Amino acid sequence: QKEVEQDPGPLSVPEGAIVSLNCTYSNSAFQYFMWYRQYSRKGPELLMYTYSSGNKEDGRFTAQVDKSSKYISLFIRDSQPSDSATYLCAMNTDSWGKFQFGAGTQVVVTP
Amino acid sequence: DGGITQSPKYLFRKEGQNVTLSCEQNLNHDAMYWYRQDPGQGLRLIYYSQIVNDFQKGDIAEGYSVSREKKESFPLTVTSAQKNPTAFYLCASKLTGSQETQYFGPGTRLLVL
Repeated sequence: QKEVEQDPGPLSVPEGAIVSLNCTYSNSAFQYFMWYRQYSRKGPELLMYTYSSGNKEDGRFTAQVDKSSKYISLFIRDSQPSDSATYLCAMNTDSWGKFQFGAGTQVVVTP
Repeated sequence: DGGITQSPKYLFRKEGQNVTLSCEQNLNHDAMYWYRQDPGQGLRLIYYSQIVNDFQKGDIAEGYSVSREKKESFPLTVTSAQKNPTAFYLCASKLTGSQETQYFGPGTRLLVL
């Protein structure tokens, strides 16, 4: 069983809809949680970085962490065609630890 | 501009050949990482280094080698022992001991002729 599970999609939504992405994990020691966006044939870029449970909002993006359920989510409001990309979740146990990545979810926002 | 650069963007390897991928950063980060990305498999850690002249194997180190002679540079060699090298290779860096996360380079796509 992988430490981090993420549905690969593709997830297709119409422009303006809310995109909902999630990852589950098995290691209760994970403390730091990240979401990256990766366009085709490009390096991942950091979108959101959270520590501990709760919500974090940045513009159209909201990240949620539920440590009791070992579940993290990313919501994208008012989605745009430019949001079409693969979204990777990542996490680690401490600032020295190795990062574990989900497989990535491909999102397609149709005009 | 601060950032991470990887070169070349595309690399072709012949049978039995060793090839080296370059990764340079000017972010003054201590730690550097190499990942391999295959379709549907996410990122898998090949090697990482938290300090100059020291590095550790990741989850899929077989067939790869690295060096860390300078803080700014962490080259990856794909040896002939790596039988399935076709993939997208990503270099990343971060400050060790801090809550900062990893930042990635643009990647190198390696193809076998």
